[in-house]
Amino acid sequence: EAQVTQNPRYLITVTGKKLTVTCSQNMNHEYMSWYRQDPGLGLRQIYYSMNVEVTDKGDVPEGYKVSRKEKRNFPLILESPSPNQTSLYFCASRTAKTGAGDTQYFGPGTRLTVL
Amino acid sequence: AQSVAQPEDQVNVAEGNPLTVKCTYSVSGNPYLFWYVQYPNRGLQFLLKYITGDNLVKGSYGFEAEFNKSQTSFHLKKPSALVSDSALYFCAVREGGGFKTIFGAGTRLFVKA
Repeated sequence: EAQVTQNPRYLITVTGKKLTVTCSQNMNHEYMSWYRQDPGLGLRQIYYSMNVEVTDKGDVPEGYKVSRKEKRNFPLILESPSPNQTSLYFCASRTAKTGAGDTQYFGPGTRLTVL
Repeated sequence: AQSVAQPEDQVNVAEGNPLTVKCTYSVSGNPYLFWYVQYPNRGLQFLLKYITGDNLVKGSYGFEAEFNKSQTSFHLKKPSALVSDSALYFCAVREGGGFKTIFGAGTRLFVKA
């Protein structure tokens, strides 16, 4: 089954404690992205990756890091989380080909609370 | 710069009535337009998209949307609403060939029995 998986689904942590949210896709997609969803703001892109070892900042990259060492994985790293990073996070992937197959597939989301 | 506006935070409709969820966009090049739906405690599910071609796009669960270039709109419609359509709906735009997708703030749809 084609899917994007994220782990963990729920996480409560404390300020300053480094954490990583994993993301993996099994569709051989080139493009992957991380978004955060906040009430009234919709989804905002944090980082995106065009392929292995190629990443770039989205609209809200401060406080986050990413890496793309393998095509299927795109972890999101919070080196020193702060309460304003409490949010719902989504990973997404899509093919680089434009046209009929050009649709983003989203993971189930990770609800992060930073105390 | 790309932007998306969903002017209504909430839309209320009675079951069986037609529904419309509005979306307007701004993009410098050719727009790729998308609608996604989010049910409580779930991820985003793709509903439909406009890339090129026919301005009326049909998607999942009986939804459709019309691309209107002159009004820069991409409103989501359904002829007969179901209670199960109650959810949060997001419109999104990407400039053709670009990497960044911009989402609207979302519109919560309530369908009353």
